[in-house]
Amino acid sequence: GEDVEQSLFLSVREGDSSVINCTYTDSSSTYLYWYKQEPGAGLQLLTYIFSNMDMKQDQRLTVLLNKKDKHLSLRIADTQTGDSAIYFCALSRDDKIIFGKGTRLHILP
Amino acid sequence: DAGVIQSPRHEVTEMGQEVTLRCKPISGHNSLFWYRQTMMRGLELLIYFNNNVPIDDSGMPEDRFSAKMPNASFSTLKIQPSEPRDSAVYFCASSLGSGGAGGYTFGSGTRLTVV
Repeated sequence: GEDVEQSLFLSVREGDSSVINCTYTDSSSTYLYWYKQEPGAGLQLLTYIFSNMDMKQDQRLTVLLNKKDKHLSLRIADTQTGDSAIYFCALSRDDKIIFGKGTRLHILP
Repeated sequence: DAGVIQSPRHEVTEMGQEVTLRCKPISGHNSLFWYRQTMMRGLELLIYFNNNVPIDDSGMPEDRFSAKMPNASFSTLKIQPSEPRDSAVYFCASSLGSGGAGGYTFGSGTRLTVV
């Protein structure tokens, strides 16, 4: 299987919480990241979590890391239309960062 | 800092022509990465440099693709001859070392269309 797996699509109603999930195979990563890609733009680092942390909160964003299950999630509270984008899970490995294929978040009115 | 700068933003070329994509990394970053993004294959790492030296080019699809980094502030990705299947968005990214907490900083990409 892939090193980093994400579901390809997620639809959420405006105002609800979005939860984007990611599973990975390599448990040696020091940093785990979430990137956001808006239409026509490059990837932008949203947040990261250090491997010895379980949770990190930054305004509307909450990152949860379950090392035992090799599961990373990104929760976006009070989802807005501006959150419509592709979200990439990524992990540090050796001298590189490995990216998932991205989850396209669609906001329903 | 203006971020990672890529040019051109859009390129339309005919099959068989040579295409050169350009990238200026963030000043002080010593690692540079070239990616290709398509709907079918997602984000693919083509090649990366550390201190201007190519470290891993295993992602370069064919001999038609070549990349150079003549100095710390400039890199090119060349496709010669181009083919329709090369149509994609090509991203350049840079980082300090392997990224750490800062990760990679991406440019806005070059959308290449080969007709």
